[in-house]
Amino acid sequence: EPEVTQTPSHQVTQMGQEVILRCVPISNHLYFYWYRQILGQKVEFLVSFYNNEISEKSEIFDDQFSVERPDGSNFTLKIRSTKLEDSAMYFCASSETGQPPYEQYFGPGTRLTVT
Amino acid sequence: GQNIDQPTEMTATEGAIVQINCTYQTSGFNGLFWYQQHAGEAPTFLSYNVLDGLEEKGRFSSFLSRSKGYSYLLLKELQMKDSASYLCAVKGQAGTALIFGKGTTLSVSS
Repeated sequence: EPEVTQTPSHQVTQMGQEVILRCVPISNHLYFYWYRQILGQKVEFLVSFYNNEISEKSEIFDDQFSVERPDGSNFTLKIRSTKLEDSAMYFCASSETGQPPYEQYFGPGTRLTVT
Repeated sequence: GQNIDQPTEMTATEGAIVQINCTYQTSGFNGLFWYQQHAGEAPTFLSYNVLDGLEEKGRFSSFLSRSKGYSYLLLKELQMKDSASYLCAVKGQAGTALIFGKGTTLSVSS
């Protein structure tokens, strides 16, 4: 069964460093998303991406964040200068279309630890 | 504003039936989702409701009342492997983002 994959599974970085989290969405999916979940808290939407551009972003997704689809398979989230509060599990998700049932398939996540 | 409420924790025994409630207040509504999340893992899709009524899928059923801003997830014949967090999420009218509640942690004991 096709699945969303993410690398690395765990990333440790120092405050102020740049990190890139990578995702390979399901191949025939057109919509891509990033969510994050701080330990013990709810899953929060960051950004959605369609047709090579951001279609929606949350207040969390400030100028420190960027997304890119550098080729036909990868979808990346970059954090330019990490802060302690960026420590969280980052989930990539994809969906086939923007039409119902809109099911979003989540990847296994990247645990980001900022020290 | 957007607000999704669900109980923090529930407990039940194997073989029992449990109902997890969710109330929501969102700007626009384009469907309600239930996801299951085991500790340290990704959310996995369980159900989707956009019209009022009950959707049944095996041991799991989900109900929606749009006028009341209310949904529930019903789990029957509980098994130990059903111990997980159950996340209620709403898709607003604009865009494709899912807005999640804090989740309900269900513990199933023998």
